[in-house]
Amino acid sequence: EAQVTQNPRYLITVTGKKLTVTCSQNMNHEYMSWYRQDPGLGLRQIYYSMNVEVTDKGDVPEGYKVSRKEKRNFPLILESPSPNQTSLYFCASSTTNTGELFFGEGSRLTVL
Amino acid sequence: DQQVKQNSPSLSVQEGRISILNCDYTNSMFDYFLWYKKYPAEGPTFLISISSIKDKNEDGRFTVFLNKSAKHLSLHIVPSQPGDSAVYFCAASAVDNQGGKLIFGQGTELSVKP
Repeated sequence: EAQVTQNPRYLITVTGKKLTVTCSQNMNHEYMSWYRQDPGLGLRQIYYSMNVEVTDKGDVPEGYKVSRKEKRNFPLILESPSPNQTSLYFCASSTTNTGELFFGEGSRLTVL
Repeated sequence: DQQVKQNSPSLSVQEGRISILNCDYTNSMFDYFLWYKKYPAEGPTFLISISSIKDKNEDGRFTVFLNKSAKHLSLHIVPSQPGDSAVYFCAASAVDNQGGKLIFGQGTELSVKP
């Protein structure tokens, strides 16, 4: 089954404790991206990757890092989480230039 | 600066009637538009799209209309069903953007009442 898998789905952590949200896709997509969803703000792009070893900032990259060492994986790293990073996070992938993104089920992160 | 705007946070419609969800954009370089549907505790799923060379695209009960001069698009659902109750996001991209970089609106929560 074609899918984008994120882990963990739910996480409560404390300020400053590094965490990683993993994302893996099995569709051989070149393009992957991270979004956060916040009330009244919709989905905002954090980082994206056009291919292996190619990443770039989206609209709200502050406080986040990503890496793309393999085509299927695109982890999101919060080096020192803060409460304003409490949000619902979505990983997505697509074939380049289609615009049709396939999303994971989301990871709800709470930073205390 | 919100380049894609959905000004109605919520919409309530009776089952069997038409649902019309609206979306406005400001960037005239946008040339591809999509609608996504999102149920609680799930990721958004692609619903329907339209290229700027068209003004209408239809898929079953769902039709998207694009008015380029007004920088406005709308999603029509006819007839509406209770299973259509979800949050709907419109999104836009430009051919000169990196492939797949979509700008999303804030979302409209549709409630279809039996």
